[in-house]
Amino acid sequence: AAGVIQSPRHLIKEKRETATLKCYPIPRHDTVYWYQQGPGQDPQFLISFYEKMQSDKGSIPDRFSAQQFSDYHSELNMSSLELGDSALYFCASSFKSQSRSQYFGPGTRLLVL
Amino acid sequence: AQKVTQAQTEISVVEKEDVTLDCVYETRDTTYYLFWYKQPPSGELVFLIRRNSFDEQNEISGRYSWNFQKSTSSFNFTITASQVVDSAVYFCALSEDTGGFKTIFGAGTRLFVKA
Repeated sequence: AAGVIQSPRHLIKEKRETATLKCYPIPRHDTVYWYQQGPGQDPQFLISFYEKMQSDKGSIPDRFSAQQFSDYHSELNMSSLELGDSALYFCASSFKSQSRSQYFGPGTRLLVL
Repeated sequence: AQKVTQAQTEISVVEKEDVTLDCVYETRDTTYYLFWYKQPPSGELVFLIRRNSFDEQNEISGRYSWNFQKSTSSFNFTITASQVVDSAVYFCALSEDTGGFKTIFGAGTRLFVKA
């Protein structure tokens, strides 16, 4: 079965650089979620999109922005990167009518030097 | 406000032992969803189960079972006859029906299963 695809899987950036993470949801899933998981931490909800509209917002810094495109893939744009942005970034997708059973991608591991 | 508490930070057991991971949640909603996820050392998050607030029936899936008790706001997870491959961090999570699409995770319980 198709799963959530995230790219890149690993990313190394310098401070103050920008990064773009991509997420391709499971086919027919209409909702995408982004989470940030720091070392030894639980995943923290950043933002979600349903049918290409932002549906909820969590602890996403103003330096980050995201959107969902017409093909339902989503991109998380991160600017002015800081050392503290180093984390594992998960994308998850669900089909809204299935009561939010979120299926997670493998994650993008971002390291900011 | 929604909150998930996993009081057990780490648990260590010997293979074939049974182990229960505790999860206590707080919510003001009458409709909500509870989840368990497994995160093995490789890092991915694996969906294990979803339970709706109006369905208190316990569930068993192979060696896994879940005990949902609304009276105590608990959603505990038991692994029977644990195996080394069960070693992972297990997260309990909560999503409120009126809380948009946000899902709140507990801090996780790291399970070590020794051979």
